Amino acid sequence: AQTVTQSQPEMSVQEAETVTLSCTYDTSESDYYLFWYKQPPSRQMILVIRQEAYKQQNATENRFSVNFQKAAKSFSLKISDSQLGDAAMYFCASEPSYNTDKLIFGTGTRLQVFP
Amino acid sequence: NAGVTQTPKFQVLKTGQSMTLQCAQDMNHEYMSWYRQDPGMGLRLIHYSVGAGITDQGEVPNGYNVSRSTTEDFPLRLLSAAPSQTSVYFCASSYQGAQGYTFGSGTRLTVV
Repeated sequence: AQTVTQSQPEMSVQEAETVTLSCTYDTSESDYYLFWYKQPPSRQMILVIRQEAYKQQNATENRFSVNFQKAAKSFSLKISDSQLGDAAMYFCASEPSYNTDKLIFGTGTRLQVFP
Repeated sequence: NAGVTQTPKFQVLKTGQSMTLQCAQDMNHEYMSWYRQDPGMGLRLIHYSVGAGITDQGEVPNGYNVSRSTTEDFPLRLLSAAPSQTSVYFCASSYQGAQGYTFGSGTRLTVV
């Protein structure tokens, strides 16, 4: 069974600075997908970034990038030039490529951004 | 495109009552799922479907029922509400899962 662990319940960062959110996962599969979702106070779940495990290159979406370490089963999210609008809950999630109907989430990290 | 539409947004039930949470998507997605979100526990999968007529249980299916008669709709039924079912419920859909899921705006359910 897959598990996803986010060991940082809360993080904070100053506006314009960089912050990294940690995520580790456990799977016996060789091929899978990893995601970061953002949940602002509006409650809406928003896909931030996606990584395919068979690709060694780290995914990047504007100010958001990941550090994917397959051997260590680590998938951290880096937010550069943090903005007040980045304040939200961030969830790491994974799904095996053979069974993409099961998206498994971590418990989330609450990010606060200070001006 | 409306995306994924969930109704109602808020609901209060008495213990023992039944109700249906509605979920509809207009993106022709085959995959649809229901999650519940509780403080400190992230999102947990209740039931999911890979197409019309096909459903399966997730991590926490007890007390819930689903059906998928059309591609667009995936209602979640609470058979006999219990206080432990107080939660925020999310419906999500995806073309085939690998590109990520689109979520509805959630239903906050309180069982008293």
